Amino acid sequence: DAGITQSPRHKVTETGTPVTLRCHQTENHRYMYWYRQDPGHGLRLIHYSYGVKDTDKGEVSDGYSVSRSKTEDFLLTLESATSSQTSVYFCAISVYGGDNEQFFGPGTRLTVL
Amino acid sequence: QKEVEQNSGPLSVPEGAIASLNCTYSDRGSQSFFWYRQYSGKSPELIMFIYSNGDKEDGRFTAQLNKASQYVSLLIRDSQPSDSATYLCAVSWGFSGGYNKLIFGAGTRLAVHP
Repeated sequence: DAGITQSPRHKVTETGTPVTLRCHQTENHRYMYWYRQDPGHGLRLIHYSYGVKDTDKGEVSDGYSVSRSKTEDFLLTLESATSSQTSVYFCAISVYGGDNEQFFGPGTRLTVL
Repeated sequence: QKEVEQNSGPLSVPEGAIASLNCTYSDRGSQSFFWYRQYSGKSPELIMFIYSNGDKEDGRFTAQLNKASQYVSLLIRDSQPSDSATYLCAVSWGFSGGYNKLIFGAGTRLAVHP
């Protein structure tokens, strides 16, 4: 347990609605990541952060935005949810960032109807 | 094209046998390699990492890296039913000018039967 929580753990929403997922860590690590996991695709990086207010895009960032106003919280927003964003979303942290190991939160299962 | 390839499985092995899980990657510049275990409905859990060519052992687990062949493997000795899970390979990848991200394979499902 790397002190990472995600909320909500499960959410069902409708197409076109905004959705915000929260990742909270208790260890004050600098590096945080959002991934989505879909069958056959493994984990794909959506956005990452290397400090407060410092974020950058990953490989599947379209339709997503992030914010990090405090070290401990990293928010992922689906501005207008689509059915293709139905997935399991994992937050991860890294102590040293870069190509070092990452530790994952428990995940959020999101269903967009 | 970023590629980390794993056989999806399932790889079925009897209890007590050696399970061998394989991963190939396409970027010769990758420097860091990780194995994660993921039980159904749970989050990935780091079990091994390796940076240098050769073998690295930790308990029943051995990671093997061959950079020339762009191949990393995980051996699980004395496999137990509790090892039944999906194993994800992750490889460092060049991104925004540096090798600073991880790319994950889709995972191999391992089933250990009594």
